[in-house]
Amino acid sequence: AQKITQTQPGMFVQEKEAVTLDCTYDTSDQSYGLFWYKQPSSGEMIFLIYQGSYDEQNATEGRYSLNFQKARKSANLVISASQLGDSAMYFCAMRDRDSGGYQKVTFGTGTKLQVIP
Amino acid sequence: EPEVTQTPSHQVTQMGQEVILRCVPISNHLYFYWYRQILGQKVEFLVSFYNNEISEKSEIFDDQFSVERPDGSNFTLKIRSTKLEDSAMYFCASWTGASGSSKNIQYFGAGTRLSVL
Repeated sequence: AQKITQTQPGMFVQEKEAVTLDCTYDTSDQSYGLFWYKQPSSGEMIFLIYQGSYDEQNATEGRYSLNFQKARKSANLVISASQLGDSAMYFCAMRDRDSGGYQKVTFGTGTKLQVIP
Repeated sequence: EPEVTQTPSHQVTQMGQEVILRCVPISNHLYFYWYRQILGQKVEFLVSFYNNEISEKSEIFDDQFSVERPDGSNFTLKIRSTKLEDSAMYFCASWTGASGSSKNIQYFGAGTRLSVL
């Protein structure tokens, strides 16, 4: 079974500094995808970034980048130049296949990030 | 940008009552999902739906739950007789079904917070 591990329940970062949120995963599939979602206190789930297992380059989306180390099975999220609005819960997730062969997403337990002015 | 729409944003109900949570997935998406997040916990997969039938359901998705796509746009989750432990945030998600990194993303709605009293 697929598994996502986020070992940092909470993180603090100074405004304008960079921060790395850790994520490791376990899968026996060759083809998989990794996501990061942001959940602010209002509760919605906001897609941030996606990395496919066959993508040769690390994904980047604005201030977000994904440090994908396939051999180590890690997919850490790097947020550069943190802003106060980045304070939220961050979930690492993996796309895997359900019994019908279609994708579903398995989530980690999340990391609560607080940006300090 | 197209989005997944969920209504209502907050539903309060009495234990034992039936509730229907509604979702309008992104229009060209073919795969639909419901996830649940109990307060302070991680997001859990409930059910996936494709081609007008359930593709997979988790052990949480017991006989009290059902899903339906009553027309070409709505996707609903019904809880027949709510229990206190059904109180959670319920997320609807949809996926295009196409392959390729940029298309392998499940987009989530803003969620419906269900409070069972």
